[in-house]
Amino acid sequence: NAGVTQTPKFQVLKTGQSMTLQCAQDMNHEYMSWYRQDPGMGLRLIHYSVGAGITDQGEVPNGYNVSRSTTEDFPLRLLSAAPSQTSVYFCASSRSGIELHTQYFGPGTRLTVL
Amino acid sequence: QQQVKQSPQSLIVQKGGISIINCAYENTAFDYFPWYQQFPGKGPALLIAIRPDVSEKKEGRFTISFNKSAKQFSLHIMDSQPGDSATYFCAASRVSGGYNKLIFGAGTRLAVHP
Repeated sequence: NAGVTQTPKFQVLKTGQSMTLQCAQDMNHEYMSWYRQDPGMGLRLIHYSVGAGITDQGEVPNGYNVSRSTTEDFPLRLLSAAPSQTSVYFCASSRSGIELHTQYFGPGTRLTVL
Repeated sequence: QQQVKQSPQSLIVQKGGISIINCAYENTAFDYFPWYQQFPGKGPALLIAIRPDVSEKKEGRFTISFNKSAKQFSLHIMDSQPGDSATYFCAASRVSGGYNKLIFGAGTRLAVHP
């Protein structure tokens, strides 16, 4: 099992550019989520999904879009990148329900917006 | 609005000492209170978790103490080792009422000196 995989590992964008961060899991988990990690701010939830076709907003959703067409994949789209979106992004997955607290994280994508 | 408050931001402990990290929460509807450990350049990984109807849970050198009336919980690392040097996050999850979120504290950077 590869677990949770994320691509790319590093990315540099210019302000206004768009891009998609990829996330995939092979554990057949219903729940998937995206977090951003900034110094002193911990991990903040951007968007999450409880199953294919179902997504919802987290704490900091502005500037990001998600979709979930399959159980395995949960891409995060930045429509028009801004310097404030410079961060490390983590994708995670878990079983739904009472197992939600046991999330498996990917290795992260370090994004810099110039 | 920070739903889970964590302290201290950083902690230095001598090898063999006890590391203590504290968290406080506001929402009494949370279902589980996990702790995650993150090494540099890696994604967070679940360390230990506790339900709100249990006052203490121990796994090896790691213990969670939970005070429901004070809405506080803490992580104790006994006999701290240099290999425990990492960032630790407390978190709280809730699935009832369609909430379906895992909310993290700001993190504590622990350094264990030999």
